[in-house]
Amino acid sequence: DAGITQSPRHKVTETGTPVTLRCHQTENHRYMYWYRQDPGHGLRLIHYSYGVKDTDKGEVSDGYSVSRSKTEDFLLTLESATSSQTSVYFCATAGLAGGFSYNEQFFGPGTRLTVL
Amino acid sequence: AQSVAQPEDQVNVAEGNPLTVKCTYSVSGNPYLFWYVQYPNRGLQFLLKYITGDNLVKGSYGFEAEFNKSQTSFHLKKPSALVSDSALYFCAVRDDSSASKIIFGSGTRLSIRP
Repeated sequence: DAGITQSPRHKVTETGTPVTLRCHQTENHRYMYWYRQDPGHGLRLIHYSYGVKDTDKGEVSDGYSVSRSKTEDFLLTLESATSSQTSVYFCATAGLAGGFSYNEQFFGPGTRLTVL
Repeated sequence: AQSVAQPEDQVNVAEGNPLTVKCTYSVSGNPYLFWYVQYPNRGLQFLLKYITGDNLVKGSYGFEAEFNKSQTSFHLKKPSALVSDSALYFCAVRDDSSASKIIFGSGTRLSIRP
């Protein structure tokens, strides 16, 4: 998985509690992404980062925030978890080489989050 | 706006037979296309990509994909399926609004029967 780890791998929490998921990479990739995967929806982008402290929203960013204080770590926070945020969350990274749009993404193993 | 469609939720193939997983796309500029595979309880793995050049792109695990500009398609193929190819396959296209993002299709589940 290209040196990408996610923690925790599984989490069960209650509605209204804050949750933080961590993605750590050892590839020195510039770009990092958070996706959620739900049946029938494929992967949907939540937030992404194009450098340290540089982040932007994806298509399903409501209820989520991110932070990237160093190249290797990208945190996803659910400020107040809701049942609709029950999902599998994937982190991905992509390097910069020539035209960055050409670069494939590498994925972590995923975090299964259940919000009761 | 750019988009990618995978018209089949599931494809069933007998081991040893050729397989095709279909993908069509819509983009405003030049298409940059990708295929990924996801095995159970794993993250996605990159298989291959088309940027420019030959219409037949070769990738990992014996897979290849055929880019067809007139039909706006990028079908994934393999000459002889293996049971171990059973997985979820995603087609993706670069997002024209931000070159560092890609948009995924909804996925096709490939099932290879022995």
